[in-house]
Amino acid sequence: DADVTQTPRNRITKTGKRIMLECSQTKGHDRMYWYRQDPGLGLQLIYYSFDVKDINKGEISDGYSVSRQAQAKFSLSLESAIPNQTALYFCATSENMNTGELFFGEGSRLTVL
Amino acid sequence: GESVGLHLPTLSVQEGDNSIINCAYSNSASDYFIWYKQESGKGPQFIIDIRSNMDKRQGQRVTVLLNKTVKHLSLQIAATQPGDSAVYFCAEPSAGYSTLTFGKGTMLLVSP
Repeated sequence: DADVTQTPRNRITKTGKRIMLECSQTKGHDRMYWYRQDPGLGLQLIYYSFDVKDINKGEISDGYSVSRQAQAKFSLSLESAIPNQTALYFCATSENMNTGELFFGEGSRLTVL
Repeated sequence: GESVGLHLPTLSVQEGDNSIINCAYSNSASDYFIWYKQESGKGPQFIIDIRSNMDKRQGQRVTVLLNKTVKHLSLQIAATQPGDSAVYFCAEPSAGYSTLTFGKGTMLLVSP
């Protein structure tokens, strides 16, 4: 089983709909991240969390919200999806940043029509 | 105007060749760099890292070189194999080491 699991892996939705992407991890890491990937633009940080009571905005948090329900679970929500939120979304975990190693899920591809 | 970011820099090599993927950074105070590999349909995966007190670090078939004078690092892959075909990202920690910031990536295509 994967250490970092994202659901759903693929989702097609319509403009204005509320969407939740879920992430769970078995690494036992405190730090969790949500990144967005667009073709040719690398990975952009949306939100991150260092423990259950900690939520921090990344560089592109507008239009998104997150919930850290437990150490192992970190969900990303789009309250009212719009077409330019069509992208590949990755959840990641890390023990700390001293090693620079993030463990990524396999990604959730979201299409907003 | 030009569409920014729609075209990923691509390096095409033959199997068995050595590959060099480059990355430039702007902050002279940056002291830690990481390379990631992203295969098609998968999340990025850590390859190797280097700290600024080193100029070179070697792994299995990979070498990272850091030139602090010109703020440039490179990832060298020896005897490139078809399985090396992927997008490669350089990354560095944000101030305070709270998150990672990724470069835009380079696609490596290896033909047999």
